[in-house]
Amino acid sequence: DGGITQSPKYLFRKEGQNVTLSCEQNLNHDAMYWYRQDPGQGLRLIYYSQIVNDFQKGDIAEGYSVSREKKESFPLTVTSAQKNPTAFYLCASHNEGPITEAFFGQGTRLTVV
Amino acid sequence: AQSVTQPDIHITVSEGASLELRCNYSYGATPYLFWYVQSPGQGLQLLLKYFSGDTLVQGIKGFEAEFKRSQSSFNLRKPSVHWSDAAEYFCALLTDSWGKLQFGAGTQVVVTP
Repeated sequence: DGGITQSPKYLFRKEGQNVTLSCEQNLNHDAMYWYRQDPGQGLRLIYYSQIVNDFQKGDIAEGYSVSREKKESFPLTVTSAQKNPTAFYLCASHNEGPITEAFFGQGTRLTVV
Repeated sequence: AQSVTQPDIHITVSEGASLELRCNYSYGATPYLFWYVQSPGQGLQLLLKYFSGDTLVQGIKGFEAEFKRSQSSFNLRKPSVHWSDAAEYFCALLTDSWGKLQFGAGTQVVVTP
């Protein structure tokens, strides 16, 4: 079945460490997105990529980095510069028009300990 | 500026009663609108979408939504809720053809016996 796989489901990080969240899709979608979810704030866009080897900052990119070396993969690194990284992270993909919809992974819960 | 507002943070409804979740948007062009549902610790599932045409849109799980351009609204409804409808619901606005979404803050729905 086609879909988006995020791993791990739960991740614990010590302060000062970088961690990388994995996102893989086999939907052959061009565009991929990373969102951060905090209670009461909905989903906020961190980074997005519309084509391999290209990506753009979203609304809250500070403290995060991404790469897009393959169409199927869009990993997110949460760096030590991110002041409040504890959150639920969602990856999504979408194919350019005709308009369809975004498909979401099951998320990664990151906790700083 | 584009925005999505969900005025109700939390709604409690009795099982079997009707449910209406409000969504207001601000967008300078024809809006493409979505409703997603999220169970705890899970990703987002698409309930329904509006692109054009009929202003009453049918979705999965017995949900429907009505687009009202004059009121800049896209409210979600269900005639009779089930305990399994307890979840968080997000309204979203498509902001480009690649799938970039602007989300509302979400409405948490609690279903009581």
